[in-house]
Amino acid sequence: QSVLTQPPSASGTPGQRVTISCSGSSSSIGTNAIHWYQQFPGTAPKLLIHSNNQRPSGVPDRFSGSKSGTSASLAISGLQSEDEADYYCAAWDDSLNGHWVFGGGTKLTVL
Amino acid sequence: QITLKESGPTLVKPTQTLTLTCTFSGFSLSTSGVGVGWIRQPPGKALEWLALIYWDDDARYNPSLKSRLTITKDTSKNQVVLTMTNMDPVDTATYYCAHRLGYYDNSGYWRYYFDYWGQGTLVTVSS
Repeated sequence: QSVLTQPPSASGTPGQRVTISCSGSSSSIGTNAIHWYQQFPGTAPKLLIHSNNQRPSGVPDRFSGSKSGTSASLAISGLQSEDEADYYCAAWDDSLNGHWVFGGGTKLTVL
Repeated sequence: QITLKESGPTLVKPTQTLTLTCTFSGFSLSTSGVGVGWIRQPPGKALEWLALIYWDDDARYNPSLKSRLTITKDTSKNQVVLTMTNMDPVDTATYYCAHRLGYYDNSGYWRYYFDYWGQGTLVTVSS
């Protein structure tokens, strides 16, 4: 069971705006930054958003992140077929001497 | 250009010890703020963080697996090694190593996250 909670699935049609939530605790998201990864089948995760809302170079501005309290969201606007992938949130958790925690992942389907 | 690559056995027997090596380039593990971590993913399942070693030799482990894990580094060889004891079929997974960046941004905030990942190596545990 993952420490960060994500919905197992999400969907949208091309052009739509989709959001994926990530819920944690006071020792994880409540205290530390949230990061998002995109993963296509058979490939390694790719950093999509870091430090709550920062896009690495090369990531389209259609992707955005936000955080409030112990929850965070990834938003994808102008949904495209190539956005169909798995999305994971991650954060450092200060409890138990400190450790990284990941969400259970959300499978995004573009209808 | 940062690259990482995992290597090790593709098949291990139950109760055996797994040893994986992460060989990297494009950065030094003696640079302040840098770390290398291991993350695994069972087939069709979510990512699970295993361990992380820092530039200063400090290390952190997944609390649920701590008793089975050891992470070490060889700065001169640009390698990080993860050992996991008492392997079980439930440990079958793709194992990734990843570069953990750490820095102070312009606002003075300490930023840290996994930015570059290796391609992963599938380890199957079966007799």
